[in-house]
Amino acid sequence: DAGITQSPRYKITETGRQVTLMCHQTWSHSYMFWYRQDLGHGLRLIYYSAAADITDKGEVPDGYVVSRSKTENFPLTLESATRSQTSVYFCASKVGNSPLHFGNGTRLTVT
Amino acid sequence: DAKTTQPPSMDCAEGRAANLPCNHSTISGNEYVYWYRQIHSQGPQYIIHGLKNNETNEMASLIITEDRKSSTLILPHATLRDTAVYYCIVRVADPYNNNDMRFGAGTRLTVKP
Repeated sequence: DAGITQSPRYKITETGRQVTLMCHQTWSHSYMFWYRQDLGHGLRLIYYSAAADITDKGEVPDGYVVSRSKTENFPLTLESATRSQTSVYFCASKVGNSPLHFGNGTRLTVT
Repeated sequence: DAKTTQPPSMDCAEGRAANLPCNHSTISGNEYVYWYRQIHSQGPQYIIHGLKNNETNEMASLIITEDRKSSTLILPHATLRDTAVYYCIVRVADPYNNNDMRFGAGTRLTVKP
């Protein structure tokens, strides 16, 4: 979906390094979300944000940090990457009661 | 939020209707039924949602039982490109709620030639 863009598409990093995954949406949606998807666990919510400067934890927030200084951007930072954070990460956005719109994901490998 | 139960996998012949069931026996009066699907290596895609009336759009139809304890997503003429994991989610549609929509394991639909 052209309105929500994730970067990079693929990332390989080493254990202990900091890595930031970017999410940008062009719709000015108020809500933004980060999910991770692993085999056997499906999609799990990491963090979400209802508006700029408002963020909340989801199911699996440990080891992650988010910020939302601008409505259109919602970066996800792994401050010290671990192998258990190897996953596919999806960003999503929505406004009000509208359905979620997802990006195409970032495949992160931590070696 | 009400829990949903879906079969882990289903097959469907190309050109035939695909009927994907979802049980949500503990659904509350203000909870909607949402359907998303995820084609391999892509982000999930919204399909349809409803409260109690049947709904139809260009992608699918949603049939909700009168007691709202179960629903069926219908893809009227399945194609190979409909092969995906389909997620049924029950959620309050409330802008003041915390809005964390949570996905289960879904149903893996395989459309066969």
